[in-house]
Amino acid sequence: GAVVSQHPSRVICKSGTSVKIECRSLDFQATTMFWYRQFPKQSLMLMATSNEGSKATYEQGVEKDKFLINHASLTLSTLTVTSAHPEDSSFYICSVQGRLNTEAFFGQGTRLTVV
Amino acid sequence: DQQVKQNSPSLSVQEGRISILNCDYTNSMFDYFLWYKKYPAEGPTFLISISSIKDKNEDGRFTVFLNKSAKHLSLHIVPSQPGDSAVYFCAASAKGFGNEKLTFGTGTRLTIIP
Repeated sequence: GAVVSQHPSRVICKSGTSVKIECRSLDFQATTMFWYRQFPKQSLMLMATSNEGSKATYEQGVEKDKFLINHASLTLSTLTVTSAHPEDSSFYICSVQGRLNTEAFFGQGTRLTVV
Repeated sequence: DQQVKQNSPSLSVQEGRISILNCDYTNSMFDYFLWYKKYPAEGPTFLISISSIKDKNEDGRFTVFLNKSAKHLSLHIVPSQPGDSAVYFCAASAKGFGNEKLTFGTGTRLTIIP
């Protein structure tokens, strides 16, 4: 399966600052990556679909100006949480669709804590 | 609107016995289903999938059954091992309709008792 690397795995930031999370597809070129968020004891919720070379597609209720997504190359997508607030504290995970467009492969996730 | 539901938040099974995890869905456009396993503070790892043209798919200790008329799928793990203790998510997509996005259930925490 695809190898997906996500960085950092854990970050603590002050309220009002911005945090960037990187998602890299290490062994193949991914035109599409997905960003999810998981709150404690809840499901993985799709936030946005990141498309290489074009604007991301955001799910309903997700603020595109707050969660900036950049998919500048076929191997890298970044999610920037701008002006973070404590309610943004969550587990953020990216995924890449496999070569055969079957299963999705996930990064290790990033635990964001905003204090 | 939870389109994929896992009604059992937790399940405990004796080691060596069969674990059965259930998942129901409401969207009739879903035609591809997957099960993922997740450990704390890690991303989900793919286990097994099934297309709507099948009603069963088996891979080693893992078997997924799909009942389209009931909009129900289940994951069977036999024999269960301590390393199977994790949270299991089912997910669905409408691949045949060009929609690769995965919709996840809320997860079931499986605990295997030695």
